[in-house]
Amino acid sequence: QKEVEQDPGPLSVPEGAIVSLNCTYSNSAFQYFMWYRQYSRKGPELLMYTYSSGNKEDGRFTAQVDKSSKYISLFIRDSQPSDSATYLCAMSGRSGGGADGLTFGKGTHLIIQP
Amino acid sequence: DAGVIQSPRHEVTEMGQEVTLRCKPISGHDYLFWYRQTMMRGLELLIYFNNNVPIDDSGMPEDRFSAKMPNASFSTLKIQPSEPRDSAVYFCASSISGGTNEKLFFGSGTQLSVL
Repeated sequence: QKEVEQDPGPLSVPEGAIVSLNCTYSNSAFQYFMWYRQYSRKGPELLMYTYSSGNKEDGRFTAQVDKSSKYISLFIRDSQPSDSATYLCAMSGRSGGGADGLTFGKGTHLIIQP
Repeated sequence: DAGVIQSPRHEVTEMGQEVTLRCKPISGHDYLFWYRQTMMRGLELLIYFNNNVPIDDSGMPEDRFSAKMPNASFSTLKIQPSEPRDSAVYFCASSISGGTNEKLFFGSGTQLSVL
């Protein structure tokens, strides 16, 4: 079993829809959870960062962590064509979510249809 | 701030040739990472440096790969000799330690094609 599993997609939804992106993981030591967004021909950029379980909201984006189920989600409300990108989950068990200990999912390719 | 700068953006070479990828991290960042991204394997960490010192190179696939960081503002990843299976996008990323949110900043990557 891989440490982090993520459906590669593509996931295609109409503009304005609510999008749900998910990752599952096997390592119970993970405590820091991140979502990176990667546009075509660009490097990933950090979108959301959460520690332990619970929800975190930032504008149209909500990150949710369920450590008991080893499952994390990213919700996008009122999706826009500009949200079309690949979304990678990342997680770490290092103190402070150390960038030297990140494990990435393979990413989900999201397409928002105008 | 210009962000993490990588060069070249694209590299096409023939099998057996030497390839050198370059990276300039964000000024003041003390960590530098080299990643490789493919459709099959996703984003893989190859090696990372802290204060110019290589800390973990366990992700480097073979002895054909080597990386250096001669100073805080420059790093190279070299492949010699290159093989078609090395074709991928290579990313450099940097971060600054401390705090509770250690954020990785990625460059735009080098698309490597080995024919």
